[in-house]
Amino acid sequence: EPEVTQTPSHQVTQMGQEVILRCVPISNHLYFYWYRQILGQKVEFLVSFYNNEISEKSEIFDDQFSVERPDGSNFTLKIRSTKLEDSAMYFCASSEWQGSQPQHFGDGTRLSIL
Amino acid sequence: AQTVTQSQPEMSVQEAETVTLSCTYDTSESNYYLFWYKQPPSRQMILVIRQEAYKQQNATENRFSVNFQKAAKSFSLKISDSQLGDTAMYFCAFIRTGNQFYFGTGTSLTVIP
Repeated sequence: EPEVTQTPSHQVTQMGQEVILRCVPISNHLYFYWYRQILGQKVEFLVSFYNNEISEKSEIFDDQFSVERPDGSNFTLKIRSTKLEDSAMYFCASSEWQGSQPQHFGDGTRLSIL
Repeated sequence: AQTVTQSQPEMSVQEAETVTLSCTYDTSESNYYLFWYKQPPSRQMILVIRQEAYKQQNATENRFSVNFQKAAKSFSLKISDSQLGDTAMYFCAFIRTGNQFYFGTGTSLTVIP
């Protein structure tokens, strides 16, 4: 069964550095998402992406964050000038359509900011 | 604002027994969708079951079924004949129109041999 894959599984970065988290969505899916889960807290929506542009974003997704689909397969989340509070598990997801369609999640990238 | 509440942070069940995980949500929308996702240790989140709010019939998927009470805004998950592989974190999620899933804080389920 096709899967969403995320790399790396664990990223350790110094505070203030830029980090790029990578995702390969399921190939026939059109909608892509990023979520984060701070340890011990609920999974929170960051952003959705469709047709090469952001379709929806939460208040968490500020100017520090950006997303990109640089080629036909990858979907990336960039965090500029990381902060300690950016430490979390970041999940990528994809779906065929929006709304009622289930979103398929990757294994997540654990980001640790030192 | 949409919120999803899972009031049971941890639960355990004997293998082959039945367990029910609770979830309540708050919304003013009339059309929305509810999901249960399962996250085994160190594994990705996997869709367990989905319920459309406009459907009165409770969704079932093999050993998994839901009790959807729209008026009470309740969406519980029942797991019958629990198996060791059911040990996981279970998340209730809500989505209306658009793309944003709202998740609960999760219930950690342990199936005891």
